[in-house]
Amino acid sequence: EVQLVESGGILVQPGGSLRLSCAASGFTFSNYWMIWVRQAPGKGLEWVANIKEDGSEQYYVDSVKGRFTISRDNTKNSLFLQMNSLRAEDTAIYYCVRDDHVTIFGVVKYYMDIWGKGTTVTVSS
Amino acid sequence: EIVLTQSPATLSLSPGERATLSCRASQSVNTYLAWYQQKPGQAPRLLIYDASNRATGIPARFSGSGSETDFTLTIRSLEPEDSAVYYCQQRAYWLTFGGGTKVEVK
Repeated sequence: EVQLVESGGILVQPGGSLRLSCAASGFTFSNYWMIWVRQAPGKGLEWVANIKEDGSEQYYVDSVKGRFTISRDNTKNSLFLQMNSLRAEDTAIYYCVRDDHVTIFGVVKYYMDIWGKGTTVTVSS
Repeated sequence: EIVLTQSPATLSLSPGERATLSCRASQSVNTYLAWYQQKPGQAPRLLIYDASNRATGIPARFSGSGSETDFTLTIRSLEPEDSAVYYCQQRAYWLTFGGGTKVEVK
């Protein structure tokens, strides 16, 4: 079964750090871009970061640049999100997501097809 | 940043009725648009990618259409389990989501 399981979410004080993990199973992890998406309480979805199959490229939403780092270990089928200088507005459920793709008329189209159940990060004093 | 505006914010319909959800982009996204369904307490689920392609295992009553800036998700013959929030999302320039449409089926 294709599965993503996040862990590491806890209550942390503002300014603190946290490392989220995502364990992938049931597919060849190293063949896919991976993404972190978050959802603040009662709010919509927000892309946070994504990382290329081999980890050589990473991209971030402006609000987390310089504070968060996405990484992966393909030998352990794992995705990570290192979160530093946490703020109250980082409070959210963090989802680990697989980024699949299809080629249509020679154009590659990406779509997020597998989501984990999420892990909750609360930033509060 | 490409902004996606979804309407209506809430849709209340009866079982068997048709739901029409709109997603408008602030600039052209070609067909780099997907739709997701999220039920309370659950992770989102991919419904439609590339504007009109149903994802694996998605019932045929869900269909997507549109291109450039105007997109529609249609749910033909609503069922009670279709109650959820539906999000559109673009990949033409970075990745952004719409604010969501809540569909209530009762």
